Amino acid sequence: DAKTTQPPSMDCAEGRAANLPCNHSTISGNEYVYWYRQIHSQGPQYIIHGLKNNETNEMASLIITEDRKSSTLILPHATLRDTAVYYCITNNAGNMLTFGGGTRLMVKP
Amino acid sequence: EPEVTQTPSHQVTQMGQEVILRCVPISNHLYFYWYRQILGQKVEFLVSFYNNEISEKSEIFDDQFSVERPDGSNFTLKIRSTKLEDSAMYFCASSLIRDTGELFFGEGSRLTVL
Repeated sequence: DAKTTQPPSMDCAEGRAANLPCNHSTISGNEYVYWYRQIHSQGPQYIIHGLKNNETNEMASLIITEDRKSSTLILPHATLRDTAVYYCITNNAGNMLTFGGGTRLMVKP
Repeated sequence: EPEVTQTPSHQVTQMGQEVILRCVPISNHLYFYWYRQILGQKVEFLVSFYNNEISEKSEIFDDQFSVERPDGSNFTLKIRSTKLEDSAMYFCASSLIRDTGELFFGEGSRLTVL
């Protein structure tokens, strides 16, 4: 799986959009981009994934650049409960996910 | 909403003892996994399981570990002779289809080896 690079931490004001970047410059053509989050040592929670096109679900939006070398997870209206570590993972091997260090997002009132 | 459940939530054991961690995956899921996270470190893949056999395993999953689906609902991780370094959160996960990174994780079992 391609290596991903994320900032170690970010802050966001409650109610504002949280934009979490991820670089995956070595991603291969058949690798998807997955986002998970982990709230205070709970189990990782799947958020969203995509291959080429931008994706949106009830939790977040995923914007993937045209060259697929980077992506951004957008939480449109962050709440205090969105405080968590967010992991960007590229994967083509199915179920064996490789978690990195992630971005620790702190949502502040 | 269906969820993966794990028991116990916390287990304390003496070094050298056997431990069994239990998981009930989402009922219609066919693929099952164990991951672990040592305190302050990354989440690490241990093993995947399908059709009553191991599909993949990592280097961490050595001979002291085993997995089993003893009945139609439970999925267990056994550690035969625990070591201090086995202290970690162990997460069970399941998925509906193969070759997807969309896994559903349980809340974890914290294992403390003294």
